[in-house]
Amino acid sequence: TQLLEQSPQFLSIQEGENLTVYCNSSSVFSSLQWYRQEPGEGPVLLVTVVTGGEVKKLKRLTFQFGDARKDSSLHITAAQPGDTGLYLCAGARGGNKLVFGAGTILRVKS
Amino acid sequence: DAGVIQSPRHEVTEMGQEVTLRCKPISGHNSLFWYRQTMMRGLELLIYFNNNVPIDDSGMPEDRFSAKMPNASFSTLKIQPSEPRDSAVYFCASSFLSGGQLSEQYFGPGTRLTVT
Repeated sequence: TQLLEQSPQFLSIQEGENLTVYCNSSSVFSSLQWYRQEPGEGPVLLVTVVTGGEVKKLKRLTFQFGDARKDSSLHITAAQPGDTGLYLCAGARGGNKLVFGAGTILRVKS
Repeated sequence: DAGVIQSPRHEVTEMGQEVTLRCKPISGHNSLFWYRQTMMRGLELLIYFNNNVPIDDSGMPEDRFSAKMPNASFSTLKIQPSEPRDSAVYFCASSFLSGGQLSEQYFGPGTRLTVT
């Protein structure tokens, strides 16, 4: 049983479309991170959210942390082929130990 | 900075053999993590060290797995004896922990282990 449930598991869209990836849990996290992983490489941090209700933007990516700090979402506007990859959310309950979700595989077709 | 360095990048071994994976964290980082990634179970934390001391090894699957960090610039993950179900990509990551706050973890490129 995953502590962090990500949905959808797989997403295939056309270039220019918008999409949202969800990360849900019944547990409260002190902070949550989103990583992106490309084939053959390790995950790379995109953002850290700490405060309930927090919204952070990174170019075309918008990240939101739920008010209760149990869930998060990643919204991508006008997706591009370069956005293709595995998106992982990871929650922390204090300190440096992370629990990762299973990930969402995103494929953006040109 | 070269980032986190892992070796080997690929390892193919026969069941029963000993496997040693190596990691050099980013200079100045005081936390080091070993993860395992499979399609079935995703990315799982095996063990992590702070200031070269193992803090949490609850993710280590069995006694066949052991990890050491003899100094701040080197860590090993050893599997003895290896089994086919150990086949996975093993990642090492490092970070700088300050004041107990969550920090960015920098991942290495991983070691793809295949046990036949």
